[in-house]
Amino acid sequence: GENVEQHPSTLSVQEGDSAVIKCTYSDSASNYFPWYKQELGKGPQLIIDIRSNVGEKKDQRIAVTLNKTAKHFSLHITETQPEDSAVYFCAASINTGTASKLTFGTGTRLQVTL
Amino acid sequence: DAGVTQSPTHLIKTRGQQVTLRCSPKSGHDTVSWYQQALGQGPQFIFQYYEEEERQRGNFPDRFSGHQFPNYSSELNVNALLLGDSALYLCASRVVVGQETQYFGPGTRLLVL
Repeated sequence: GENVEQHPSTLSVQEGDSAVIKCTYSDSASNYFPWYKQELGKGPQLIIDIRSNVGEKKDQRIAVTLNKTAKHFSLHITETQPEDSAVYFCAASINTGTASKLTFGTGTRLQVTL
Repeated sequence: DAGVTQSPTHLIKTRGQQVTLRCSPKSGHDTVSWYQQALGQGPQFIFQYYEEEERQRGNFPDRFSGHQFPNYSSELNVNALLLGDSALYLCASRVVVGQETQYFGPGTRLLVL
């Protein structure tokens, strides 16, 4: 089955700096790659996603890149703010209509310091 | 527009007992998935329901079962609870046609003593 690896497990940046989180996946059939942010005591919140027919997507300070050949994708957060501090999860999925199982990475704890 | 809701928020059970968790999907969504998230780990897929049938299942034993109702809400049942079943149980919903995006609820935290 699909396996998703995520690095680093913890990341500390100063406010205003950029943060990059990287993930690799094993199943070349995966075609959908969301990123979720999870704050303490809450469920995961979708922050951005990318489909396999797109190489890059940006939404304000957040961007995701996908390299299908290398089977890896990355999350880029620019101009980090204290409220960006949370645990971030990447995930991969093979969407076939009714089937949409998400396989998650192990998470990255991002801390943005003042 | 109500998001995904789950009940209860917290639950304490003892080994061997049975538990039922409930989920109401986001308005307009017809597909519900359940995930188990152990402390410090990423969510693990349990199963997915669409049109009241289990469509996909992860690597979980038969002690984990579910149901989807005609109004698209869903239940997760766990029998013969083990200490290792202690986790945050998350429900996610989506629209099956044309949208891959899954929205998660706040979860139910289950503690098995």
